[in-house]
Amino acid sequence: EAGVAQSPRYKIIEKRQSVAFWCNPISGHATLYWYQQILGQGPKLLIQFQNNGVVDDSQLPKDRFSAERLKGVDSTLKIQPAKLEDSAVYLCASSPRTASGNTIYFGEGSWLTVV
Amino acid sequence: AQSVSQHNHHVILSEAASLELGCNYSYGGTVNLFWYVQYPGQHLQLLLKYFSGDPLVKGIKGFEAEFIKSKFSFNLRKPSVQWSDTAEYFCAVNGPQAGTALIFGKGTTLSVSS
Repeated sequence: EAGVAQSPRYKIIEKRQSVAFWCNPISGHATLYWYQQILGQGPKLLIQFQNNGVVDDSQLPKDRFSAERLKGVDSTLKIQPAKLEDSAVYLCASSPRTASGNTIYFGEGSWLTVV
Repeated sequence: AQSVSQHNHHVILSEAASLELGCNYSYGGTVNLFWYVQYPGQHLQLLLKYFSGDPLVKGIKGFEAEFIKSKFSFNLRKPSVQWSDTAEYFCAVNGPQAGTALIFGKGTTLSVSS
């Protein structure tokens, strides 16, 4: 079974520039998550989709971050304009819609450095 | 507020030593509990999980964890660590409903010397 795919793996941009990350979840997984992991900290949820609808985006800095999952499959996370503090790993994850056993599977992450 | 607390930021052990990493959580209602591991340069991998039943769960690579409901704890243990266990370990919690997001602790870095 293919895992969660993310690209690009690494990106270096200057502050105030924009960047976009792409994620393709495991086939059939209805729920998709974007997490931000700053060095030395645990992952923090940015946004959660159920199919193509947003379930939770309470921690997404909406003045600069946006995300979409138009067809309920792959998703894009955009940052515009980027700030130095956005340097982090952006993790995409997915989970199946099951009644129990709510295991979440993570991609390898997209490493962003803002200079 | 929902949260996960990992007591140890950095643990340094020699090979063959025993390991116990602490994890406490604050979460209303029934919980699922997880330990994830992140090896250097790699993605988060599931080490073990607790959903229900036997509070002592066994995971991959000889790890185990015990859920103690009265203490809101889910500590990770391994009787004898190896150099290859050097990694960052994250405790996480979510609710039983499908599609409930994980809340992570800040992680514990384990360094094992050979």
